[in-house]
Amino acid sequence: KNEVEQSPQNLTAQEGEFITINCSYSVGISALHWLQQHPGGGIVSLFMLSSGKKKHGRLIATINIQEKHSSLHITASHPRDSAVYICAVLETSGSRLTFGEGTQLTVNP
Amino acid sequence: KAGVTQTPRYLIKTRGQQVTLSCSPISGHRSVSWYQQTPGQGLQFLFEYFSETQRNKGNFPGRFSGRQFSNSRSEMNVSTLELGDSALYLCASSALWGAFFGQGTRLTVV
Repeated sequence: KNEVEQSPQNLTAQEGEFITINCSYSVGISALHWLQQHPGGGIVSLFMLSSGKKKHGRLIATINIQEKHSSLHITASHPRDSAVYICAVLETSGSRLTFGEGTQLTVNP
Repeated sequence: KAGVTQTPRYLIKTRGQQVTLSCSPISGHRSVSWYQQTPGQGLQFLFEYFSETQRNKGNFPGRFSGRQFSNSRSEMNVSTLELGDSALYLCASSALWGAFFGQGTRLTVV
């Protein structure tokens, strides 16, 4: 069992739909990151969370430390949101990141 | 505050050659970790350096090595390159409260 599990693995949506991607982890963490990667591109950090909720534009990220679960929401999705979204946790020691397998999101016009 | 800088961004090497990639962390961060992402694979942990010492190592062959300098800048080296080493190599610098990512170096071995 992976230490970081993401669901779903693949997600196809129509433009304008509300998107949710989930991340569950089994280790003690000091922070959780949501990352975005476009095809052939580098990795962009969207959020870094240690508690609660953060919002940036149409993106919202939440974390429940007790349940070891985080969600990334995209409101009013757009084709340019099509990318792989990766959840990564920074272990309590602060020394290494463990990544989820990623969620491939495709938003159709 | 400057971000994490990786150089070069893109690199093409021939099988059998060796390559050195560089990562300059966020100022004040002493931990630098390296990850490999091959096509279709998730990000795999290579190693982590803290205050010039390798603190953790992933499950990679000895051809993969690294080091960290007194200014926290880190390099990773891959010797005797194989086609399967073609990947995105990502560096992250971290403190206890979170990590910051470089743009990655995309290595192509031909």
